[in-house]
Amino acid sequence: DAGITQSPRHKVTETGTPVTLRCHQTENHRYMYWYRQDPGHGLRLIHYSYGVKDTDKGEVSDGYSVSRSKTEDFLLTLESATSSQTSVYFCAIMQGGSGYTFGSGTRLTVV
Amino acid sequence: AQRVTQPEKLLSVFKGAPVELKCNYSYSGSPELFWYVQYSRQRLQLLLRHISRESIKGFTADLNKGETSFHLKKPFAQEEDSAMYYCALSGLTGGSNYKLTFGKGTLLTVNP
Repeated sequence: DAGITQSPRHKVTETGTPVTLRCHQTENHRYMYWYRQDPGHGLRLIHYSYGVKDTDKGEVSDGYSVSRSKTEDFLLTLESATSSQTSVYFCAIMQGGSGYTFGSGTRLTVV
Repeated sequence: AQRVTQPEKLLSVFKGAPVELKCNYSYSGSPELFWYVQYSRQRLQLLLRHISRESIKGFTADLNKGETSFHLKKPFAQEEDSAMYYCALSGLTGGSNYKLTFGKGTLLTVNP
């Protein structure tokens, strides 16, 4: 597996505060993705990136922004956290012929 | 647009029974299909991809383009197969970038 790490692993934050989650990869893969996982909804794509400074929206992008200033890091920011954003967030990379690999997830609770 | 449908939220079988988890997809091009498994809210692990045609942990899946299906099968379920299973489709968006779309998942419980 490619080295892919997410930080933090767990976070509790208050409504209205900004939150940034980090995804880091060690193998220079072009594509990186952010998903949220919720019961009954499976995994839904928030944003993805296809290169440095190249990003696009997924199906549930409202309230989220992303940045990718270097190949190895893909940051997800909740601009003003709401309780509906309580979820488990997964980062993924596309490894070409090997398919997609996922990070361990970040469990975010907004109180 | 690409879409994945897993019609069963829950599936319960007894140990040793056959199991089939259904997956149907919608995509205008040539998709790449995957099955991922997640144990107890751990990270998702790749179980199968259709182009490799491998059998992992006794599971198999065949892509049926006519029926747009990619059902996951195992002839004899084991208790350790209890997990959440996701079918996923990788395709080009707008003709130029790859996106992975998931179904909503099926929670498989194998009873002793």
